[in-house]
Amino acid sequence: RKEVEQDPGPFNVPEGATVAFNCTYSNSASQSFFWYRQDCRKEPKLLMSVYSSGNEDGRFTAQLNRASQYISLLIRDSKLSDSATYLCVVMEYGNKLVFGAGTILRVKS
Amino acid sequence: GAVVSQHPSWVICKSGTSVKIECRSLDFQATTMFWYRQFPKQSLMLMATSNEGSKATYEQGVEKDKFLINHASLTLSTLTVTSAHPEDSSFYICSASRLAVTYEQYFGPGTRLTVT
Repeated sequence: RKEVEQDPGPFNVPEGATVAFNCTYSNSASQSFFWYRQDCRKEPKLLMSVYSSGNEDGRFTAQLNRASQYISLLIRDSKLSDSATYLCVVMEYGNKLVFGAGTILRVKS
Repeated sequence: GAVVSQHPSWVICKSGTSVKIECRSLDFQATTMFWYRQFPKQSLMLMATSNEGSKATYEQGVEKDKFLINHASLTLSTLTVTSAHPEDSSFYICSASRLAVTYEQYFGPGTRLTVT
């Protein structure tokens, strides 16, 4: 079983749509959780950290459920520029980041 | 702030040769640097963790004699792929962290290696 699992997609959505990504992780001792965005052939960039209380940054909302070992990302009012691969990332002991394979989002006009 | 550079951005080399990739933190001192590898349509996989002035810690399955890592200063780490083979062709990405300040890792732009 992969340590971090994501639906690979692709998710093809029209501009303005709301889209949700899910992720599960296997290590219950994982310490911190993040969503990164990766554009084609580029390095990953931190989108937001994820907390149990939930956190929101503009059109993006992230949620963590430690009991279910489940992480989500909601994107509202999708823009063309949101098209990218979204990586679910878990930090383990020793500050090691474990990346999911990513979910591809394509926003179309 | 927190800019990380990598050099070269892409490299093509012949099978059997060695390639050195540099990772630099430009505006901060990186106590720890991480090296990742990403094959097409796959996730980033951590190869090794290096702390300045000490030997790198390699992840299981990564050959330390093939992937030589040197972290000689707080702003520079190098990864040398020795005796490269076509299966080593990949996207190599480094990240740097100021662990005493924050757990956040700042990623370099990556180096695309093609071995022919």
